[in-house]
Amino acid sequence: DQQVKQNSPSLSVQEGRISILNCDYTNSMFDYFLWYKKYPAEGPTFLISISSIKDKNEDGRFTVFLNKSAKHLSLHIVPSQPGDSAVYFCAATSTTSGTYKYIFGTGTRLKVLA
Amino acid sequence: DTAVSQTPKYLVTQMGNDKSIKCEQNLGHDTMYWYKQDSKKFLKIMFSYNNKELIINETVPNRFSPKSPDKAHLNLHINSLELGDSAVYFCASSQFPVSDTQYFGPGTRLTVL
Repeated sequence: DQQVKQNSPSLSVQEGRISILNCDYTNSMFDYFLWYKKYPAEGPTFLISISSIKDKNEDGRFTVFLNKSAKHLSLHIVPSQPGDSAVYFCAATSTTSGTYKYIFGTGTRLKVLA
Repeated sequence: DTAVSQTPKYLVTQMGNDKSIKCEQNLGHDTMYWYKQDSKKFLKIMFSYNNKELIINETVPNRFSPKSPDKAHLNLHINSLELGDSAVYFCASSQFPVSDTQYFGPGTRLTVL
């Protein structure tokens, strides 16, 4: 039962353009969401998060949008840079369920073309 | 001055063997985790300790046993290794359980032959 889905396994974008990575979830109890970036042979690194009380959170070139009614979040990277080429994971959790765990998607491999 | 370190980085072993993976964090965090990333790239939580107490214990074969000697260390011992145990195992830590950024180690690629 995949509660967090990233349906696009890969995405290619030209340098300087916008990258949009999508994530869908099924559990309506999820109220906190994160994006992680992962380079080969390294562990995931935290990128940006959003609580369900917000619909947008911005940090520099990275913006996460949350659509609770659609159970959908997206990560926008503007402008995309070659160093952004990595695998991006979204993760979700319920802060009220007491389970203390994140559910991760399977990742989207982003390639930014110079 | 690596924040979360794991040893070894690669581990190749035969079926039936027992092996351990070590994890250490120097961030002063109270919570540590073990994740498994399988061949389908799912990153799944296995265990979590908060202040040396087990708070997450997913449906994992009891051949897997975590041990937390102190808040800075969380080791993973695996008995009677099976082919299906081949995966990348990530250790992570955070200041508090849930709703907090988790810092991941570089991963240990385990290959069972």
